[in-house]
Amino acid sequence: AQSVTQLDSQVPVFEEAPVELRCNYSSSVSVYLFWYVQYPNQGLQLLLKYLSGSTLVKGINGFEAEFNKSQTSFHLRKPSVHISDTAEYFCAVTAGGGADGLTFGKGTHLIIQP
Amino acid sequence: NAGVTQTPKFQVLKTGQSMTLQCAQDMNHNSMYWYRQDPGMGLRLIYYSASEGTTDKGEVPNGYNVSRLNKREFSLRLESAAPSQTSVYFCASSEGQLGYTFGSGTRLTVV
Repeated sequence: AQSVTQLDSQVPVFEEAPVELRCNYSSSVSVYLFWYVQYPNQGLQLLLKYLSGSTLVKGINGFEAEFNKSQTSFHLRKPSVHISDTAEYFCAVTAGGGADGLTFGKGTHLIIQP
Repeated sequence: NAGVTQTPKFQVLKTGQSMTLQCAQDMNHNSMYWYRQDPGMGLRLIYYSASEGTTDKGEVPNGYNVSRLNKREFSLRLESAAPSQTSVYFCASSEGQLGYTFGSGTRLTVV
């Protein structure tokens, strides 16, 4: 079974500053990793995913994440945030064929301060 | 737009009432899922269907039943609703690990 730990429940950051949202996972097999964003009262939108290949993954809205197998991490970064990035961010993992679903972290609330 | 459609969007139930949440996808995905989202808990898997004709329990299956009606549709039933089942429910579908598409959610309140 897999598990995901999002180390910060809430991250306040000033507009135009860089941000890193941390995610660590646990699994005994190879994994596939995802970051989703949820804006208030909306569903989940995929930001990016790591399936294989390059460990640096670029996603939508200027976000990127780096897969680090030795540290079992998949941290999300953005060099300069905007007010519109205020949302809940979820890290998720699946393994094998992926048919048994995603395991999610508890989420990180990104708060952008003007 | 192609995607996952959930109905209803909002529902209020009294304790002990039953209801079925409906989910349909039009992407020809083999796998479908039901999650619940509670504050500070992330999304937790209730049941999933890896392919048509199969269903399996997830992390929090107690108090729920599911039916994979056909390849498109996957319903979630609450036989006797309890206040602890107040939550936002999301349906999703996938084709392996390539991509998971989520519905817009059902906000359920049990009083």
